[in-house]
Amino acid sequence: SQKIEQNSEALNIQEGKTATLTCNYTNYSPAYLQWYRQDPGRGPVFLLLIRENEKEKRKERLKVTFDTTLKQSLFHITASQPADSATYLCALSTGGFKTIFGAGTRLFVKA
Amino acid sequence: EAGVAQSPRYKIIEKRQSVAFWCNPISGHATLYWYQQILGQGPKLLIQFQNNGVVDDSQLPKDRFSAERLKGVDSTLKIQPAKLEDSAVYLCASSLDPGGPTDTQYFGPGTRLTVL
Repeated sequence: SQKIEQNSEALNIQEGKTATLTCNYTNYSPAYLQWYRQDPGRGPVFLLLIRENEKEKRKERLKVTFDTTLKQSLFHITASQPADSATYLCALSTGGFKTIFGAGTRLFVKA
Repeated sequence: EAGVAQSPRYKIIEKRQSVAFWCNPISGHATLYWYQQILGQGPKLLIQFQNNGVVDDSQLPKDRFSAERLKGVDSTLKIQPAKLEDSAVYLCASSLDPGGPTDTQYFGPGTRLTVL
């Protein structure tokens, strides 16, 4: 069956370090993948989109990689700050215009 | 630019009662989505509209849930009758057309529903 897996355990890191979050998927052939940030009590906010023919995308302190062979995307936040603490969701979109969200990984950045 | 508006923000009802949620998408966004997010899980698509028409409602429990999008703008999602397992946050999102499937989705703040 189709599945998206993100680390269910929270990630705790020290301020200034690089946070790396993982999104693995099975039985999908996504046309593109997105990462969203969600704060408690709020809706998700779009961060980055990467297409199947792209290996890497950057935006300020954020970097996303997409390996369609490994069926995996990595999301990096460099020089992390306490304000980066949130839940990060990955979302796969197929060519049929359907978007499926993962359960998300909670990130805590300690000062 | 105004974001996606949703109301109410919170709702508490007894099981078997009915409830309705309202969403006003970003002006000009032709695509509107309703998601259900249960605590600790990712958003699950309930229904997707393109203008007035339904694109995908394969995960909408049609025996109790209904949704409409009048005039291709505002939308309402109704649950009748509610069950305990409907307790969740209901998120509305919109995206710009004709960007199609690569478009970013913009989410509202959600409505937190508690069914007692």
